[in-house]
Amino acid sequence: AQKVTQAQTEISVVEKEDVTLDCVYETRDTTYYLFWYKQPPSGELVFLIRRNSFDEQNEISGRYSWNFQKSTSSFNFTITASQVVDSAVYFCALSEADTGGFKTIFGAGTRLFVKA
Amino acid sequence: EPEVTQTPSHQVTQMGQEVILRCVPISNHLYFYWYRQILGQKVEFLVSFYNNEISEKSEIFDDQFSVERPDGSNFTLKIRSTKLEDSAMYFCASSGGDKETQYFGPGTRLLVL
Repeated sequence: AQKVTQAQTEISVVEKEDVTLDCVYETRDTTYYLFWYKQPPSGELVFLIRRNSFDEQNEISGRYSWNFQKSTSSFNFTITASQVVDSAVYFCALSEADTGGFKTIFGAGTRLFVKA
Repeated sequence: EPEVTQTPSHQVTQMGQEVILRCVPISNHLYFYWYRQILGQKVEFLVSFYNNEISEKSEIFDDQFSVERPDGSNFTLKIRSTKLEDSAMYFCASSGGDKETQYFGPGTRLLVL
């Protein structure tokens, strides 16, 4: 069965600190997709990144970077030099290719507070 | 940039009433979804829809729920007889040829009194 675990409920950092949000997933499929979404206080879900199970290359996008490790079933998200605008709830999510409907299973989310 | 839109942004209803939540997916997308998020909790999958039929649904999506694509642009979620526990944010999402990535609308916040 699919499962996504975000063990960190809340993280509080001071601006300019680096912060890593952890995500551990469970799946029986060999082909699957991992995502990170940001939910700011306004409530919408903003797509950040998708990673395919067959591509373990890490990715960097500006201050954001993602570390995908199949060996530990983890897909961690690091924000470098955090800013107040990064304050939001961040969700890690999983979708399995064998599921024709491509439903996405979300973790419980990590609330990030960035203080000025 | 194309985006998913949802109406209304907020809806308040009385227990037992029917509600219809509306979504306009991104125009060339073929896969449509509804999710809900009870306040302070995680986002939960309700249903996926492709080729005019439900392709998958969760245990939450019971007989009180239905979905429809009444025309070429809208995708609706109907709750026949709302309960207090239906109070939540409801998100519509759509995906296209790159069907693995779902783009979410801004949500409809439903409050059942």
